[in-house]
Parts: sequence; structure tokens; C-alpha cells
Amino acid sequence: GNSVTQMEGPVTLSEEAFLTINCTYTATGYPSLFWYVQYPGEGLQLLLKATKADDKGSNKGFEATYRKETTSFHLEKGSVQVSDSAVYFCALGRNSGNTPLVFGKGTRLSVIA
Amino acid sequence: DTGVSQDPRHKITKRGQNVTFRCDPISEHNRLYWYRQTLGQGPEFLTYFQNEAQLEKSRLLSDRFSAERPKGSFSTLEIQRTEQGDSAMYLCASSQTSGTGLYEQYFGPGTRLTVT
Repeated sequence: GNSVTQMEGPVTLSEEAFLTINCTYTATGYPSLFWYVQYPGEGLQLLLKATKADDKGSNKGFEATYRKETTSFHLEKGSVQVSDSAVYFCALGRNSGNTPLVFGKGTRLSVIA
Repeated sequence: DTGVSQDPRHKITKRGQNVTFRCDPISEHNRLYWYRQTLGQGPEFLTYFQNEAQLEKSRLLSDRFSAERPKGSFSTLEIQRTEQGDSAMYLCASSQTSGTGLYEQYFGPGTRLTVT
């Protein structure tokens, strides 16, 4: 069946450091891929998505590229801020997202000033 | 567009009691999803609806769990005879299937259930 594997957290970085959170997936066919973020005390928010191979999703300085050959969708940001502290979830689905999503376990990021 | 809302936000109940949670989706969204999230895990899909039709319910955790969306607007998730293992955050999300192509799921704040 479909599954998502994320790097274990927590991840602690200093402000302005480079961030990578690894995500790999197993799926039949051609899923859409997503990164959701959960800030403390808030609900899940869509951060970015990619719907086909080689697509790059980007938002708020975060980027992720859909790599079919390595079945990966790693999240990157060049310079993190304290406000980026949150839990990040990688997910896969069909039809650009309007079918049930399969989530990874999440990676907690803490950014210190 | 006021977002997805869930009620209550927190529920504490004794083992063996029944609980019901409500979700109000974004008004123009025809799909509604329920997920469960336990501590340290990602959300786990339970069931979903298109309008009032339940498209999949095989992932509901046991026959103690049921959901409905009688008029294709709000939905309820009921857990009968609660057990301590049911303690979790229950998330609702909604999406659309037509329009401008923005089909992403939007999540509510969740209902945190504690079974004592």
C-alpha cells in the first residue's frame, strides 16, 4: 500500500541555518505530494504541493521537488526563522488532493535565535 | 470563507460513554474527511464523504465508530462505548472536486478526546 517515510525529529537549528527534511514515499501510479505544517496550538495548514514528477512546490521560502526516480519530496529552506518552528508533515494523495491523504509521522523543527 | 470548524475542541469522557463530534466544512466544499492523530504520529484517515454519500468507511477503526453527513453539509463522528485507546485528536478536513482546480484539503483545529 501507499506509505510515507520522514526523517525522525526533533530537528533543532539556529536562525538563518539551512533546513532539509527528508521525505520518501511508496505508491502505485503517480500520486500528488504535499507538505503540511502544524504551528503550536494551530491546525494543519498546506505549505506546498507538487502534482507530477519534476514539479517544484514553493511557499514562504520553502521548496520541495517531486523526484520520481528517487521517490522523494524533500523539504528545504535556505534560511530558517524562529517563526518556522512547527511540526512538518509529508503526505501523498490522488487527484491534486481531494482524496484521502497518507501522512508521514511528522518532523518537529525548533529554531533558536 | 470562515474555514473548517470543529466542535467541541476538547472532550473528556469516561470509558464506556458515547461521544459525538461535529465538523462544519468550508461552505462550497463537497468532500469532507475525518482523520485521527495520536501523539507523535501523522494523521490517519478514517472515512470521507462526497456530499451526503460516504465514499469509504472501511478504515474506521472498529464498529464502534460511525460517521454521517445527512444533508451534505456538516458531519458528525460518533464513538460508542469509548475506550482509553480512543484518546486522540480527531481532525476534519474538506475539499472540492470542481472549480478552479484547487483541490487541496483544508483542516479544522481538531477535537481532542481524552478517555479516562
